[in-house]
Amino acid sequence: GAGVSQSPSNKVTEKGKDVELRCDPISGHTALYWYRQSLGQGLEFLIYFQGNSAPDKSGLPSDRFSAERTGGSVSTLTIQRTQQEDSAVYLCASRLGPSYEQYFGPGTRLTVT
Amino acid sequence: AQTVTQSQPEMSVQEAETVTLSCTYDTSESDYYLFWYKQPPSRQMILVIRQEAYKQQNATENRFSVNFQKAAKSFSLKISDSQLGDAAMYFCAYRNYGGSQGNLIFGKGTKLSVKP
Repeated sequence: GAGVSQSPSNKVTEKGKDVELRCDPISGHTALYWYRQSLGQGLEFLIYFQGNSAPDKSGLPSDRFSAERTGGSVSTLTIQRTQQEDSAVYLCASRLGPSYEQYFGPGTRLTVT
Repeated sequence: AQTVTQSQPEMSVQEAETVTLSCTYDTSESDYYLFWYKQPPSRQMILVIRQEAYKQQNATENRFSVNFQKAAKSFSLKISDSQLGDAAMYFCAYRNYGGSQGNLIFGKGTKLSVKP
């Protein structure tokens, strides 16, 4: 079956603009994660969605970051007023259940100029 | 808080030889999962191998095996008969066993080069 997909693959934006990154998880996977991969910080957890429960936003670095998951499927990560330090690869992963693996998408490389 | 440390930023191995990547972690939990992920230049994170902490037997997946030392909090990855396609970034990761959240905590990664 299809894996996790993310769009766009690459995004270049100007400082101060808003961006939206999209994640399509594997069908039937109830858990969805966003991670950020940057040179300085490595791989960091950002946010977690489980079914219809309130998301765990404990990893979001600032209030400029937000995410939603519509209908328990597609998720959008929004970064407002982008800064150069937001430049990174944003990875999405989904999981079937608590004892199952996380499957990752190919990521979106965000460059803020 | 749990932490994962990979002390080798870069490693190199000759094709067909064996290489071991190191990983140590810190946790106060007794039950947890450990993983090795491979990330080629395509950026796609691929699960290589998984180990449950309650299992004493080391996990193996074809040419990949781990040396899990729970008391020492060490989790190294051995790649046997290295192939050119093994060249990638390798990340060690930790996940708590209990609860439903289960986000991964990653090390900084080891870049593996394979020489023909």
